[in-house]
Amino acid sequence: QQQVKQSPQSLIVQKGGISIINCAYENTAFDYFPWYQQFPGKGPALLIAIRPDVSEKKEGRFTISFNKSAKQFSLHIMDSQPGDSATYFCAASAGGNQFYFGTGTSLTVIP
Amino acid sequence: DTGVSQDPRHKITKRGQNVTFRCDPISEHNRLYWYRQTLGQGPEFLTYFQNEAQLEKSRLLSDRFSAERPKGSFSTLEIQRTEQGDSAMYLCASSLRVDTRGETQYFGPGTRLLVL
Repeated sequence: QQQVKQSPQSLIVQKGGISIINCAYENTAFDYFPWYQQFPGKGPALLIAIRPDVSEKKEGRFTISFNKSAKQFSLHIMDSQPGDSATYFCAASAGGNQFYFGTGTSLTVIP
Repeated sequence: DTGVSQDPRHKITKRGQNVTFRCDPISEHNRLYWYRQTLGQGPEFLTYFQNEAQLEKSRLLSDRFSAERPKGSFSTLEIQRTEQGDSAMYLCASSLRVDTRGETQYFGPGTRLLVL
């Protein structure tokens, strides 16, 4: 059973546009929600993370929106650039133990 | 470079052979995780250590897989009697656990295994 469901599977955005990736979860014990960026042949790298005590966190062009009641969280990439083209994974953990990852979103930013 | 390192980066083996991978975490990190990632999927948790203690193993982890972290520093992941289905990227991550909340995991570049 997929603990974290991620959509869409792929996304194509024009340069300068907004990229939005969504994740949903069921386990209400999850208390840490990171987003990772992965380039081909590389390991995932942490982009931004949020805890459920806040509804939004922004770092540069990256924003996480968190809806605790709906058990959903999303990543927004503002002013998307070709260099943002990568695979993005959401993840969740409870008490910082086992981490569950989504299936990934392949983002392509067209110049 | 003081990041997480993994060795080898690539491994090709024949079915039935044993393979061993090594992970060197960031030096002050007390937690070390192993994941498996197949094409088009997210990392799948295998096991993790806090210092030298193995705290959790995935129920999906076959008994052909074993991991160690003997001195709480580097870790090894061994796969015995490899099968073609073991072909994947094996990722290691480390983190500094200071309280009961989630902490940032730093991933290594992975070891890509191909079983022929």
